[in-house]
Amino acid sequence: ETGVTQTPRHLVMGMTNKKSLKCEQHLGHNAMYWYKQSAKKPLELMFVYSLEERVENNSVPSRFSPECPNSSHLFLHLHTLQPEDSALYLCASSLRGSDYNEQFFGPGTRLTVL
Amino acid sequence: AQSVTQLDSQVPVFEEAPVELRCNYSSSVSVYLFWYVQYPNQGLQLLLKYLSGSTLVKGINGFEAEFNKSQTSFHLRKPSVHISDTAEYFCAVRMSGSGGYQKVTFGIGTKLQVIP
Repeated sequence: ETGVTQTPRHLVMGMTNKKSLKCEQHLGHNAMYWYKQSAKKPLELMFVYSLEERVENNSVPSRFSPECPNSSHLFLHLHTLQPEDSALYLCASSLRGSDYNEQFFGPGTRLTVL
Repeated sequence: AQSVTQLDSQVPVFEEAPVELRCNYSSSVSVYLFWYVQYPNQGLQLLLKYLSGSTLVKGINGFEAEFNKSQTSFHLRKPSVHISDTAEYFCAVRMSGSGGYQKVTFGIGTKLQVIP
């Protein structure tokens, strides 16, 4: 595997289910990000982990719970979601230490909440 | 705070014609500017970036963009588009001097539809 991978690619869940999204980066990066992409809206930054410490939490509802067990893996735990949470969830990673470093994105998980 | 405005939500263009996708930004500090492309069912891929130096930046797939500080613009151009350029394009801005984690602000996206 190369780059940033995300599983599953598609997920359909009911409002009472609990599920998790997984992201893995194979780039040696040390910062990881969760974004929400909804139709006709800019990408919304949800969470940032830098050196495995959460450094950003942009007023995201508590039904979304991130976890970063190491610098290569990032999870987003989901429970009691609402239909408006249906979106494409993108994971990204970057290397700290230089302004010239860019973010690399995974392919996303398309989430549908019924 | 910074913001990004992409003035066109959709741009149809005939194959082999030139195209310009517009982007304006606002920020009270120096910024870095980016264009990303998203093909259907894929994540975002970096097309090009402006960090410093020459204001004309060349990227992948024949795209280029010009940073205009006085007009706070970073428009994306391609002289001749192909069917394979059909995708959504996102302009983004990041504050300079943020060598740690990166807080990037994205525009709403412009869907480029290339017509055969």
